[in-house]
This record gives sequence, C-alpha cells and structure tokens, in this order.
Amino acid sequence: AQKVTQAQTEISVVEKEDVTLDCVYETRDTTYYLFWYKQPPSGELVFLIRRNSFDEQNEISGRYSWNFQKSTSSFNFTITASQVVDSAVYFCALSEAPSGGSYIPTFGRGTSLIVHP
Amino acid sequence: DSGVTQTPKHLITATGQRVTLRCSPRSGDLSVYWYQQSLDQGLQFLIQYYNGEERAKGNILERFSAQQFPDLHSELNLSSLELGDSALYFCASSVGPSGGAETQYFGPGTRLLVL
Repeated sequence: AQKVTQAQTEISVVEKEDVTLDCVYETRDTTYYLFWYKQPPSGELVFLIRRNSFDEQNEISGRYSWNFQKSTSSFNFTITASQVVDSAVYFCALSEAPSGGSYIPTFGRGTSLIVHP
Repeated sequence: DSGVTQTPKHLITATGQRVTLRCSPRSGDLSVYWYQQSLDQGLQFLIQYYNGEERAKGNILERFSAQQFPDLHSELNLSSLELGDSALYFCASSVGPSGGAETQYFGPGTRLLVL
C-alpha cells in the first residue's frame, strides 16, 4: 500500500475557482512530518509547508490553506481564487523515522493542477 | 532561487557509462540529499549526507554512490548506466541532520538521458 496517496492525478479549473488537493497518508509512527511541495513547469521543487504530527492547527498563507486531520490521516491543500501561475504539479510527502534513525521522506505521485485563464 | 546549485543541468550519455552529478548546498546547510524523479517511480529519496558522513539511505542502487566533501558539496556517481536510469536527479539541502523532519531546499535538478 502506498504511504502517501494523492488520488487526484490531474485537476483542471478556471481562474478564480477554489481548488482542493487531497493527500492521505499511512503511518504507524506517532511522530512524523508532512510536507507539500510545488513543481512548476520549470521543474524546480518549491517548499510550501511543513507540519509535524502534534500540530493539528490549520494553516493559512495568503491564498493557500492546509487542513491536517489525524483522524482521517489527511493533509489537504486548498488554493483559493486560483491563478494561472498556480499551474504546477503538487507533491505531498510524509517523513518517518524507522528504527529511530533519520527521517526518510516518501512522496506521493503528485497532482497536476492546470488553471485556465 | 533556493540557493542550492546543481551541475550539469542536462546530461546525455550511453548505456554502460559512468557520470558524476554535482551539488552545492545552501550556505550554512550541513545536510545534502539526493533524489531521483522518474515517470515510473515518481520522486524517490536516494541518500543523505550530514557533515561528510552518510546519514540515511533510501532506494539507492548499488551502481550508485555518493559522497560529501569537506567543503560540503556533494557528488552522486552513477555507473553502468541503464536506460531506466534516465531521470531528473535532485539535490536538496537542510541545516541539520534530521533528514525528512527538516525543511529541505531543492536545487534545479540534473536531467539525465541514457541512450
């Protein structure tokens, strides 16, 4: 089973629409970290957010917001009033520390977001 | 610009050959990570070095090896290349040793094509 599932392979919206990207993870650890990264067409991976397993507060940064729910093992990402520049592939990642060693990140397969003008 | 540099940007080579990818971390970062991104496998963690020492290993093939030098730059060596090694190779860096618990900043990547 995948540790990080991004079930939406591709989402297409029109500019100014709100869009939510889903991320469901699987872990037995009590301490873990969750991340979202953006990969625009240029190819570089851009860090968006880091959240540890003990902090379930939702976070808002401008038009971006994140909803972390341990009860459903989900860490969803919402873009409000989407813009063409938001077009990119978005990756969710889970970091666990097997055997108490260094944290190893596992990435989802990504969701390709296309925002049409 | 993340502050992480990678060279070369593109690399075309033949099967059976050996190549070296280079990465310079952000100023002040002691950890360097290598990732492979391919259509088949997605984005996969390969290996982490912290202050010159190997810290964590992921799905890195035996044909691949890496090292981190005293000036903290890192090199990823890929040998006996196969067609399936064609991918985008990312380097990332972070301040401390905790690996995936920390925020990692990614370089622009090296696109490797094996013909």
